[in-house]
Amino acid sequence: DIVMTQSPLSLPVTPGEPASISCRSSQSLLHSNGYNYLDWYLQKPGQSPQLLIYLGSNRASGVPDRFSGSGSGTDFTLQISRVEAEDVGVFYCMHSLKSYTFGQGTKLEIK
Amino acid sequence: QLQLVQSGAEVKKPGASVKVSCKASGYTFTSYAISWVRQAPGQGIEWMGWISAHNGNRNYAQKFEGRVTMTTDAATRTAYMELRSLRSDDTAVYYCARDPDYGALDVWGQGTTVSVSS
Repeated sequence: DIVMTQSPLSLPVTPGEPASISCRSSQSLLHSNGYNYLDWYLQKPGQSPQLLIYLGSNRASGVPDRFSGSGSGTDFTLQISRVEAEDVGVFYCMHSLKSYTFGQGTKLEIK
Repeated sequence: QLQLVQSGAEVKKPGASVKVSCKASGYTFTSYAISWVRQAPGQGIEWMGWISAHNGNRNYAQKFEGRVTMTTDAATRTAYMELRSLRSDDTAVYYCARDPDYGALDVWGQGTTVSVSS
């Protein structure tokens, strides 16, 4: 099974400042079709997870453009250009190459 | 309205089974798969498996093989997840999510709490 490793696990951020989360997979997520099968989700307190980024770098419908995804193969990054108070929650990466596995989660809190 | 509505909370005894439903609306049900995931209290998210609402193809996480059955009913636009031989560590919130067959779980149910206790 592919193991997903996120860092950091805790991320205190001042509003207006940028933030970055790393996700590494134990195997390449780059498919022969050229797509990286890697998504990013945010689970706000008390809510169901919501899709932010799919196939590595595609922003989901309605997601603010301050969120961006990058990377290929085994190393991926979620960047938030300017953190807002409403971004508080736990961010998860997830691979979807045949089976799916989530990372451990990164808890973003406001300083 | 694009949404997935799940059945209500369940309390079960160890060894019992639970069947959670997930009713879809606002999109063509048979054009997507449904993934099921769960989240134990205070823990991360665990993927359980996936079923195509188009042709019934299934892909279960190895951990749940033999203990889980996922089905769909196109007539009622409903997906089901049955978990058998429940243990206390199956206590979790179970979610269904719309799956275009490559991850990108873009519509989620509200979650169903399943509590397993003697």
